[in-house]
Amino acid sequence: KQEVTQIPAALSVPEGENLVLNCSFTDSAIYNLQWFRQDPGKGLTSLLLIQSSQREQTSGRLNASLDKSSGRSTLYIAASQPGDSATYLCAVEGTSGTYKYIFGTGTRLKVLA
Amino acid sequence: NAGVMQNPRHLVRRRGQEARLRCSPMKGHSHVYWYRQLPEEGLKFMVYLQKENIIDESGMPKERFSAEFPKEGPSILRIQQVVRGDSAAYFCASSSAGTGDGYTFGSGTRLTVV
Repeated sequence: KQEVTQIPAALSVPEGENLVLNCSFTDSAIYNLQWFRQDPGKGLTSLLLIQSSQREQTSGRLNASLDKSSGRSTLYIAASQPGDSATYLCAVEGTSGTYKYIFGTGTRLKVLA
Repeated sequence: NAGVMQNPRHLVRRRGQEARLRCSPMKGHSHVYWYRQLPEEGLKFMVYLQKENIIDESGMPKERFSAEFPKEGPSILRIQQVVRGDSAAYFCASSSAGTGDGYTFGSGTRLTVV
């Protein structure tokens, strides 16, 4: 059974700092991995999608890496800003073909001005 | 190009009433997924539907919950005889299947049972 863990659960950093959020999963047989952002009381915004054959994806100040064999992904945020404050969720899709995502419980990030 | 539209955004129901949550997928997407986020918990898969078909309902409680995605109109998640434990955020996502292009989520419906 696939389990997804995210550490740390919460993180508070000063503005401008580079930071890394971690996601680990127990079953390496994944189809893809997606990072989302969730603002309080809001929906989920897709940040980056990494297919199982890819090692990383980049979008602006965000870079996500995937190491399938070790069951890990990291989300790197460069030069953090107060507007980056949100909960970041990692989700993996298995290879069963049902498009079912297993979510981690997220990392709550607060960037201090 | 509107995204995934969910309504209502907030829904308050008394115990025993019915709740109907609606989801219109993105244009061109024919696959809909419902997830539930309980307070302080992660999102949990409930059901996966294509037009007129339920593909996977393994995450949906066997009683009181049902989902449909008719040929015309939005997908509906229906909760009968709601209880306080049903209070949660219900998210809908859609995708264009076969491409593995990930999900697009709606803004969710926050159900409060009083």
